[in-house]
Amino acid sequence: GAGVSQSPRYKVAKRGQDVALRCDPISGHVSLFWYQQALGQGPEFLTYFQNEAQLDKSGLPSDRFFAERPEGSVSTLKIQRTQQEDSAVYLCASSLLRTENTGELFFGEGSRLTVL
Amino acid sequence: GENVEQHPSTLSVQEGDSAVIKCTYSDSASNYFPWYKQELGKGPQLIIDIRSNVGEKKDQRIAVTLNKTAKHFSLHITETQPEDSAVYFCAASRTGTYKYIFGTGTRLKVLA
Repeated sequence: GAGVSQSPRYKVAKRGQDVALRCDPISGHVSLFWYQQALGQGPEFLTYFQNEAQLDKSGLPSDRFFAERPEGSVSTLKIQRTQQEDSAVYLCASSLLRTENTGELFFGEGSRLTVL
Repeated sequence: GENVEQHPSTLSVQEGDSAVIKCTYSDSASNYFPWYKQELGKGPQLIIDIRSNVGEKKDQRIAVTLNKTAKHFSLHITETQPEDSAVYFCAASRTGTYKYIFGTGTRLKVLA
């Protein structure tokens, strides 16, 4: 596809379940970001990959959150033992350039996670 | 920590009028300021950006101004149209970090 693709679009999980959210960036994009967007708020940075290397994971809220991009393309954000406060839209973005803040971020439509 | 404040949270204007959204940032080292438009159920989309070496940038009906001394920047939309209705986010970033710090958003409604 032409844009960033995320799946699933919607996920309902019971508290304590593990979830995995997938991101297919634009082909050839070096940089990949994950953001968390709570209802009525702006996106908050979670983690950044340059190709397969995770260069910044300072935004991950706890060790229950884990992200990977093993082949430098598709990325997966995994949340273990989900809690209600994890309910949010998880946005993936990719960028063509490798240098910080010199390239437009292209966002996917997000994965909306609801934890009951 | 780094923070971006955005005002107003909601804004209603008549079609054809202008809309102004203001943001203030806390990190004086910030040097890149993008604006994103987010429509319902969609991801944010870049509409304009400005770097700290310029004070103003314009693209058709959209303009952004930057005041580095006061650490604030603004989005100006002229001749608003119903399709401009969306949530707008400002953001700030600086060289050496991959984080974009987003504001809390402004819901713009353009009334026909």
